[in-house]
Amino acid sequence: QKEVEQDPGPLSVPEGAIVSLNCTYSNSAFQYFMWYRQYSRKGPELLMYTYSSGNKEDGRFTAQVDKSSKYISLFIRDSQPSDSATYLCAMSGIGANNLFFGTGTRLTVIP
Amino acid sequence: DGGITQSPKYLFRKEGQNVTLSCEQNLNHDAMYWYRQDPGQGLRLIYYSQIVNDFQKGDIAEGYSVSREKKESFPLTVTSAQKNPTAFYLCASSMMTGSGNSQPQHFGDGTRLSIL
Repeated sequence: QKEVEQDPGPLSVPEGAIVSLNCTYSNSAFQYFMWYRQYSRKGPELLMYTYSSGNKEDGRFTAQVDKSSKYISLFIRDSQPSDSATYLCAMSGIGANNLFFGTGTRLTVIP
Repeated sequence: DGGITQSPKYLFRKEGQNVTLSCEQNLNHDAMYWYRQDPGQGLRLIYYSQIVNDFQKGDIAEGYSVSREKKESFPLTVTSAQKNPTAFYLCASSMMTGSGNSQPQHFGDGTRLSIL
């Protein structure tokens, strides 16, 4: 079993839809959770960075962590064609430099 | 503009050849990392370095080598021993982890390596 599982998609939604992206994990030591956005032929760009359980909101993006279920989510409100990209979840333990990544979910927002 | 610069953007390797990928950062980050990205497999850690003149193997270090002579630079050499080098290579950096926290990593725009 992989430490981090992420549905690869692809996921297609109409412009303006609410998008929900999810990851599950198996290691209860993970405390820091990140979401990255990666455009084609580019490096991942950090979108959200959260610690432990709870919600964090930044503009149209909301990151949610449920440590009891070992489940994290990224919600995108009012999705735009420019949101079309691959979204990677990543996580790490306390004091750890190494990140564990999901395989990424490819999202297309259709105008 | 602070950031991570990887070069070249595209690289071709002949059989039996070693090639070196460049990674430079001006974020004053202590830690640097190299990842390999293959379709459907996510990012896999090759090597990382937390301090100048020191580095550690990641999950897939075989066939690769690194050096860290300067804080800003962390070049990766793909040796002829790496039998399947075709991939997208990503360099990242982060502030050093203090006790009780973990710092996010910031990435360059990658080098795509192919075999001729």
